[in-house]
Amino acid sequence: QSVLTQPPSVSAAPRQKVTISCSGDSFNIGNNYVSWYQQLPGTAPKLLIYDNNKRPSGIPDRFSGSKSGTSATLGITGLQTGDEADYYCGTWDSSLSGWVFGGGTKLTVL
Amino acid sequence: QVQLVESGGGVIQPGRSLRLSCEASGFIFSSYGMHWVRQAPGKGLEWVAIIWFDGSKKYYADSVKGRFTISRDNSKNTLFLLMTRLRAEDTAVYYCARDPGYSSGPFPGNWGQGTLVTVSS
Repeated sequence: QSVLTQPPSVSAAPRQKVTISCSGDSFNIGNNYVSWYQQLPGTAPKLLIYDNNKRPSGIPDRFSGSKSGTSATLGITGLQTGDEADYYCGTWDSSLSGWVFGGGTKLTVL
Repeated sequence: QVQLVESGGGVIQPGRSLRLSCEASGFIFSSYGMHWVRQAPGKGLEWVAIIWFDGSKKYYADSVKGRFTISRDNSKNTLFLLMTRLRAEDTAVYYCARDPGYSSGPFPGNWGQGTLVTVSS
């Protein structure tokens, strides 16, 4: 059971938009910054979003992040088949004194 | 560019010990914190441990506390994970990741390709 809760799967058609939620509490998301990671099949995870809504260089602006209270959201617009992957949220947990990940969300582009 | 190469994985019997290494290049290793993250076959990501840039602070996931030790040799640009009293549930791909060191707090940034550890008799 993950500290952060994500939906197991989401799906949408090409060129559409999808959002992935990540829910926590005051010890983690509520008082710390959130990161998002993309893991394409058979590859290592890659940082997509950090500090709630910042994109590392090279990440297209189709990917966005937001946070409100104890929840965070990853948004992806203009979906492409190449976006099919597992997506993970993560943040520092002050009560555990450690980093925590969500359980992951599998994105299917229909 | 940032490069992280893990090694040391393999098949190991339950109860034994194994040390993983992560060789870093392309950046000033001694200026960055580092993480270990693992992923069991077909499962999600699980954070394992973090070490500060100078080794002054270390934090562990409850699942490995007391059994795993994270360390680093800044003179050799290498991160280590010593795993003792291994269990079947420690079977996973182990990734090392660089922490960007932003003032906003720690997080895994750049990731290596991982090394597979299989704990089995």
